[in-house]
Amino acid sequence: DQQVKQNSPSLSVQEGRISILNCDYTNSMFDYFLWYKKYPAEGPTFLISISSIKDKNEDGRFTVFLNKSAKHLSLHIVPSQPGDSAVYFCAARTQGGSEKLVFGKGTKLTVNP
Amino acid sequence: EAEVAQSPRYKITEKSQAVAFWCDPISGHATLYWYRQILGQGPELLVQFQDESVVDDSQLPKDRFSAERLKGVDSTLKIQPAELGDSAMYLCASSGRGGRRNTEAFFGQGTRLTVV
Repeated sequence: DQQVKQNSPSLSVQEGRISILNCDYTNSMFDYFLWYKKYPAEGPTFLISISSIKDKNEDGRFTVFLNKSAKHLSLHIVPSQPGDSAVYFCAARTQGGSEKLVFGKGTKLTVNP
Repeated sequence: EAEVAQSPRYKITEKSQAVAFWCDPISGHATLYWYRQILGQGPELLVQFQDESVVDDSQLPKDRFSAERLKGVDSTLKIQPAELGDSAMYLCASSGRGGRRNTEAFFGQGTRLTVV
């Protein structure tokens, strides 16, 4: 079963507008959440993260929101730029144990000029 | 800026042949991960090392896959024999320890394997 779900395979937005990428999780033991960005034929690049004790983390144009009661997080990109076009993966880590990262299937973001 | 190094970038191999991938993590990172990413899917953990010890290999197909990190630094992932379904991107990542819990993992550029 998929513990981290990204239900939108793709998203298309206009340059300058807001991009909102969503992620849902089922495992209440997750304590740390991360977003990665991936270009074709390259490895994922860390973008931003949030601890389960927070509900918001901001870094420049990128903001991640966490709603623990809904087991939902979202990544906001404002303003969106054509260079943001990539696949975005949501990942979560379980507290204790091996601390491995569990990834969603990704959302392909296209920012149109 | 420190990076995770992987080689080769691309590998084409025939079915039933052996293939190996190499990874050199960021200096000082105690945790090393091998992930496999099939097109259209998210990365899936194959094996995780803490220093030279395996801490999670529950998803590693042990009949054909093996991984080692003998000196707790660089690592090798081997497939013998390769099957058509092994075609994927193989990603290595590392994360720090240093007295605090691991946070983000940093990925290498990956090895794109094609089995023909």
